[in-house]
Amino acid sequence: QSALTQPPSASGSRGQSVTISCTGTSRDVGGYDYVSWYQKQLGKAPKLIIYEVNRRPSGVPDRFSGSKSGNTASLTVSGLQEEDEADYYCTSHADNTPFEVLLGGGTKLTVL
Amino acid sequence: QVELRQRGAGRLKPSEILSLTCAVFGVSLTDKNWAWIRQPPGESFEWIGEVSHSGGASYNASLKNRVTIYMDTSQRQFSLRLDSVTAADTAVYYCAAFDRGSYSFDLWGQGIVVTVSS
Repeated sequence: QSALTQPPSASGSRGQSVTISCTGTSRDVGGYDYVSWYQKQLGKAPKLIIYEVNRRPSGVPDRFSGSKSGNTASLTVSGLQEEDEADYYCTSHADNTPFEVLLGGGTKLTVL
Repeated sequence: QVELRQRGAGRLKPSEILSLTCAVFGVSLTDKNWAWIRQPPGESFEWIGEVSHSGGASYNASLKNRVTIYMDTSQRQFSLRLDSVTAADTAVYYCAAFDRGSYSFDLWGQGIVVTVSS
């Protein structure tokens, strides 16, 4: 069981928007603005797409956006494209862990 | 070019030693911590451990007795050693750069499939 809770699956049609949630506690997601999101396409290495809740690394399309409310962070993918079909994972800085970062279980996004 | 490039054996027998290396290109070794993460088939990621440029390491408690991560700054690479592997260690193994400022893994290696089978 992962420390951060994500829905196992999400889907949307091309051009639509979809939002994926990542729920933790006040000692991780709710307590720090250090939520990151990663995209894992089949056969490829994971790629950082959002860090510090809502910041995008250079080269990541602005169709990807992040937000947070309380103990839940969200990743929104707008204008869905076929290449957005992938697994998405969240992480968050956390208190009192040996590593300082907790991992989510991942959400498989299907583009219909 | 900014890149992490992994190498190592992908097929092991039970009780053997897993040994992987990750070469760092285009990134200062002092800017990041250097991590190993694995993904078993059909599962989420598991943090194995990480090492700083000065060599200080921390490990996942569930693997602590079997794992060693070490840095070779002269070769600009870091390595993972996992002793006494079993089928449960079958996974895709990734090296990654951990940014201490944003608490994110901002660069990943290409991944190596490690299969443990007799």
